[in-house]
Amino acid sequence: LAKTTQPISMDSYEGQEVNITCSHNNIATNDYITWYQQFPSQGPRFIIQGYKTKVTNEVASLFIPADRKSSTLSLPRVSLSDTAVYYCLVVDNNDMRFGAGTRLTVKP
Amino acid sequence: NAGVTQTPKFQVLKTGQSMTLQCAQDMNHNSMYWYRQDPGMGLRLIYYSASEGTTDKGEVPNGYNVSRLNKREFSLRLESAAPSQTSVYFCASSRRQGGQGETQYFGPGTRLLVL
Repeated sequence: LAKTTQPISMDSYEGQEVNITCSHNNIATNDYITWYQQFPSQGPRFIIQGYKTKVTNEVASLFIPADRKSSTLSLPRVSLSDTAVYYCLVVDNNDMRFGAGTRLTVKP
Repeated sequence: NAGVTQTPKFQVLKTGQSMTLQCAQDMNHNSMYWYRQDPGMGLRLIYYSASEGTTDKGEVPNGYNVSRLNKREFSLRLESAAPSQTSVYFCASSRRQGGQGETQYFGPGTRLLVL
């Protein structure tokens, strides 16, 4: 199972774009890259998922280079409500391993 | 659509007591999961059920048992609670297990304190 590495914490200000990079050097051919968001006292919530290149939805964008050994979650124009923990997962046959995630703090 | 629901929301147990955590989903999903989350940590998989009638161990199954009662419900039982089982427990479901790109939907969690 591919292990992921991401920064423990990040700070940002309202209105800025935030990029969180995750490394997954041992990603396998069939693995998908998935990002979850978790607010305090809530379960994780799916944000975005991708296999290669770029994926965009109404919440975020996910950039995956050709070698797929890393990925970057991009949150455009963050607000205070985006303060949360963000998890990067490499999903291998539905075996989902959550690391400690990246704690994003958005300041006014 | 309630999604994934869990009961109770909070529970205090004494060491050695038993209890069952309940989980139900109304999304007609085939697969269901139980995770635990310790403070400042990510989630760890306890057990999962790929489909009705089947259950399998996850990363940390010791001290727990599960029952897939029907397609909607998946319960987690602690037979003899220990302080090390103090945690927040999350139930999740997905359309199927093992599919490429499959995503899971999580419940609100149950906070368990074992004294």
